[in-house]
Amino acid sequence: QKEVEQDPGPLSVPEGAIVSLNCTYSNSAFQYFMWYRQYSRKGPELLMYTYSSGNKEDGRFTAQVDKSSKYISLFIRDSQPSDSATYLCAMSARWKQGAQKLVFGQGTRLTINP
Amino acid sequence: DAGVIQSPRHEVTEMGQEVTLRCKPISGHDYLFWYRQTMMRGLELLIYFNNNVPIDDSGMPEDRFSAKMPNASFSTLKIQPSEPRDSAVYFCASSPTTTSEQFFGPGTRLTVL
Repeated sequence: QKEVEQDPGPLSVPEGAIVSLNCTYSNSAFQYFMWYRQYSRKGPELLMYTYSSGNKEDGRFTAQVDKSSKYISLFIRDSQPSDSATYLCAMSARWKQGAQKLVFGQGTRLTINP
Repeated sequence: DAGVIQSPRHEVTEMGQEVTLRCKPISGHDYLFWYRQTMMRGLELLIYFNNNVPIDDSGMPEDRFSAKMPNASFSTLKIQPSEPRDSAVYFCASSPTTTSEQFFGPGTRLTVL
């Protein structure tokens, strides 16, 4: 079993829809939870970052973490064609010498249709 | 800042050849990471450095892979000899301190025929 599970999709929705992306994980030591966005032929870039459980909102994006269920979500409201990308969840626990080793999900390929 | 710089952007080579991928991290970042991305396995951490010292290379698939960081502004990932199963996109990322945010380069798309 992978440490982090993410449905690779693809997911296709109409413009303006609410999008829900999810990941589950098995390692209870994870305490930092991130969502990266990766456009085609580009490197991933950090979109949202949360520590421990709860919600975090940034514009049209909301990240949720439920540590009791080992489940994280990313919601996109009023989705736009420019949101079309692959979304990767990532998680980390403390690592020696302080570096944060990230474990990534498979990534979900999202397309927003105009 | 130019961000993380990787070269070459594309590499096509034949099985058995040596391949060297290069990375210039963001100035001032203490950590450098090498990842490999494939459709089947997603994004996998190969090795990371802290202040030019390799800290964890447990993700390096086998002895054919090696990585070096001779100074704070340059790192290489070498595959010798290369095999078709090494075909993937290889990313370099850097991180300023102990934050979890890593800044990724544009990647090198490697094809081994």
